[in-house]
Amino acid sequence: NAGVMQNPRHLVRRRGQEARLRCSPMKGHSHVYWYRQLPEEGLKFMVYLQKENIIDESGMPKERFSAEFPKEGPSILRIQQVVRGDSAAYFCASSQTRSNQPQHFGDGTRLSIL
Amino acid sequence: DAKTTQPNSMESNEEEPVHLPCNHSTISGTDYIHWYRQLPSQGPEYVIHGLTSNVNNRMASLAIAEDRKSSTLILHRATLRDAAVYYCILRDPQGGSEKLVFGKGMKLTVNP
Repeated sequence: NAGVMQNPRHLVRRRGQEARLRCSPMKGHSHVYWYRQLPEEGLKFMVYLQKENIIDESGMPKERFSAEFPKEGPSILRIQQVVRGDSAAYFCASSQTRSNQPQHFGDGTRLSIL
Repeated sequence: DAKTTQPNSMESNEEEPVHLPCNHSTISGTDYIHWYRQLPSQGPEYVIHGLTSNVNNRMASLAIAEDRKSSTLILHRATLRDAAVYYCILRDPQGGSEKLVFGKGMKLTVNP
């Protein structure tokens, strides 16, 4: 069984560019979560999506960040006009249902801003 | 979210059992205790979870105190691959929030 797939594994962008991070959940999983890990810090929740719906975006920065999980295709975390402070590892997780099911994580996208 | 407290770090020797403690004195009756670990340069990995009774799976055992104010993750025979940061997290399935709240975790070093 394929696990959670994230791509790219590494992404380099210049300040002001856009970054698109993709996440394909495990087969049969319809719940997707995005987390961010800044250097030397713990993981912080960003957003929780279920197919075509944003359920909880309490951890998303108010500007420049958006997420989607379309009916077909991977979930996308989009960062517009990137700044140096966006440099971090971005992890995606998926679960089969709500209610206490374990979340299965991908190996992340490491975003570096020049 | 109720908070957990873990030591910053622990050391163990390969092939010996390891007991990783977690305190959660403000746990509510509906909070489950979850453990995840994160190996270097990888995403977190689910280890185990439980509510009141001790739990076993192929990776580890979870011993939960009778008053539920603390728990212990037990690795029965540590291997070098078990070196990771371990996170003890409380989740309330009735709380309306699905997010995992990661603390600083505890870094486990396994000596050969």
